[in-house]
Amino acid sequence: GAGVSQTPSNKVTEKGKYVELRCDPISGHTALYWYRQSLGQGPEFLIYFQGTGAADDSGLPNDRFFAVRPEGSVSTLKIQRTERGDSAVYLCASSLSFASNTGELFFGEGSRLTVL
Amino acid sequence: GEDVEQSLFLSVREGDSSVINCTYTDSSSTYLYWYKQEPGAGLQLLTYIFSNMDMKQDQRLTVLLNKKDKHLSLRIADTQTGDSAIYFCAESPFLNSGGYQKVTFGTGTKLQVIP
Repeated sequence: GAGVSQTPSNKVTEKGKYVELRCDPISGHTALYWYRQSLGQGPEFLIYFQGTGAADDSGLPNDRFFAVRPEGSVSTLKIQRTERGDSAVYLCASSLSFASNTGELFFGEGSRLTVL
Repeated sequence: GEDVEQSLFLSVREGDSSVINCTYTDSSSTYLYWYKQEPGAGLQLLTYIFSNMDMKQDQRLTVLLNKKDKHLSLRIADTQTGDSAIYFCAESPFLNSGGYQKVTFGTGTKLQVIP
């Protein structure tokens, strides 16, 4: 498809387990963002990639969270030793280089993580 | 840090105008956005305004910006049932040299349109 694709759409796991969430951005988009959306809240910034490198990871809540984008396209958000408070919808967005457009973020439908 | 606030809920009758308000704290905000989130779908950009503008109109949508008060509003004329969704205000500061923009979102306003 032409949009941002996120897998899995739903993930239920037990406290303490390891989880990986995948994002496949729109082809040609160099910028990739991860946000977290808790129930009744707006998206909360986690990390931003420009190409392969994490340009800003200031939103990652602690060292249990890590994200990679090894080839500058697909990104994986990794959560170790999951806690119940990690339950949320994890949103991925991609965009063109900002200087060439309005900075519109194109969002995927999200991965809903539930930690029991 | 950046903070963006919105009221949580708005209910209007079909055909009336809706006005969704937003306040932000970052005085360096350069780009201000309205995103729409329908149930089970990702966020989609509705419209945007640059901080050097006071108003922007796009069909049924009117965006007003009061930079002095850091207040942004979205007016939807002739509101339809299909407009029922959550509307997020978002802001982004001036770009860094890499073209990066960190977008900060508000908590969202749920718009309910009554037929």
